[in-house]
Amino acid sequence: DTGVSQDPRHKITKRGQNVTFRCDPISEHNRLYWYRQTLGQGPEFLTYFQNEAQLEKSRLLSDRFSAERPKGSFSTLEIQRTEQGDSAMYLCASSGLAGGTDTQYFGPGTRLTVL
Amino acid sequence: KNQVEQSPQSLIILEGKNCTLQCNYTVSPFSNLRWYKQDTGRGPVSLTIMTFSENTKSNGRYTATLDADTKQSSLHITASQLSDSASYICVVTQRYNDYKLSFGAGTTVTVRA
Repeated sequence: DTGVSQDPRHKITKRGQNVTFRCDPISEHNRLYWYRQTLGQGPEFLTYFQNEAQLEKSRLLSDRFSAERPKGSFSTLEIQRTEQGDSAMYLCASSGLAGGTDTQYFGPGTRLTVL
Repeated sequence: KNQVEQSPQSLIILEGKNCTLQCNYTVSPFSNLRWYKQDTGRGPVSLTIMTFSENTKSNGRYTATLDADTKQSSLHITASQLSDSASYICVVTQRYNDYKLSFGAGTTVTVRA
């Protein structure tokens, strides 16, 4: 499978715990994005990498959230001291500008439930 | 503020029937508009993409239209199948910020036998 993969697919944690999600983009893509999606809503932008550089972070990404893409390949999203409001689907997407429009390809998401 | 509004919020149709979903946007300057299909518990998958100069784009039984003057788009599903049951999300890209997508809340389509 050469699509975007995310791990784990589901995570249940207790409030106050730390969690880390992983995203493996399509191998030739240099751009990687993280989104958060709650029920009945479209995805909300969290952050964006071009290669290993984190170029933009949304105001939604509080100081409890950190994302890395150390070698310009896979990325991790860590949430520290989780809160119930963090419960959502976390989507990763990747894209590679190929002489035209830049289509983002989404992974299956990690569903986080904070108890 | 760049916004994307979709209607209806949800709809139920019988298998074999057609339906049309609407999308209005205020994103400016406009670059392109995509329709994504999102199955429950999965990530969105791109169906169509249209730039400013394109009025219509088809992908099998899905046909998207774009009126860039009125900033409206529609997605028409022909001869619906049970597998069309999903959320359909309208996504608009702003020129010069092609990495940042503006998403609608989606229309949930349920196809019943």
